[in-house]
Amino acid sequence: DAMVIQNPRYQVTQFGKPVTLSCSQTLNHNVMYWYQQKSSQAPKLLFHYYDKDFNNEADTPDNFQSRRPNTSFCFLDIRSPGLGDAAMYLCATSRVTGEQFFGPGTRLTVL
Amino acid sequence: GQQLNQSPQSMFIQEGEDVSMNCTSSSIFNTWLWYKQDPGEGPVLLIALYKAGELTSNGRLTAQFGITRKDSFLNISASIPSDVGIYFCAGRDGSSNTGKLIFGQGTTLQVKP
Repeated sequence: DAMVIQNPRYQVTQFGKPVTLSCSQTLNHNVMYWYQQKSSQAPKLLFHYYDKDFNNEADTPDNFQSRRPNTSFCFLDIRSPGLGDAAMYLCATSRVTGEQFFGPGTRLTVL
Repeated sequence: GQQLNQSPQSMFIQEGEDVSMNCTSSSIFNTWLWYKQDPGEGPVLLIALYKAGELTSNGRLTAQFGITRKDSFLNISASIPSDVGIYFCAGRDGSSNTGKLIFGQGTTLQVKP
């Protein structure tokens, strides 16, 4: 089945230690998104790629970076995680005007 | 910026009861999506709506795209315990050329067996 895959499902890192989360898709969608979600809140968009074009949300901290080496893969890099970055990170994909499909998420813990 | 107001914030109902939740927007949308999220999982798409007035069903779920294009509702009939979760509405306006969604705050549903 076509799907959005996120690895790992659970990630533990230390304060200030860089971490990378990965997302892959088999839907061949041209748009990929990264969201941050804190408990019981709505997902908050960090940035998205429209093909290779990177679109950063105005309030996304510089600590968060992203890479999309090809259509199928997208990475979220957190350069120096702080305690406030502990959250669920969700990857999603869509065509421009179609439904947006989410992966299962990566739960990040910062010690 | 644009906001989506989703209500109610939470519901605690008896198994078998019907449920209704809605979202309103301050501006016109051309797409409404409804998602369900279980604890520790990503949101799962339930229903997508693309035309004003559209009424779409998915099993016991029914959603409508409001005529004004500023609102949408989701109904769940004959609730069962596995309906428990957080339901999010999300909308897309015509200004988005990259598919960005705006999310409601979510409705937490609890079902008592």
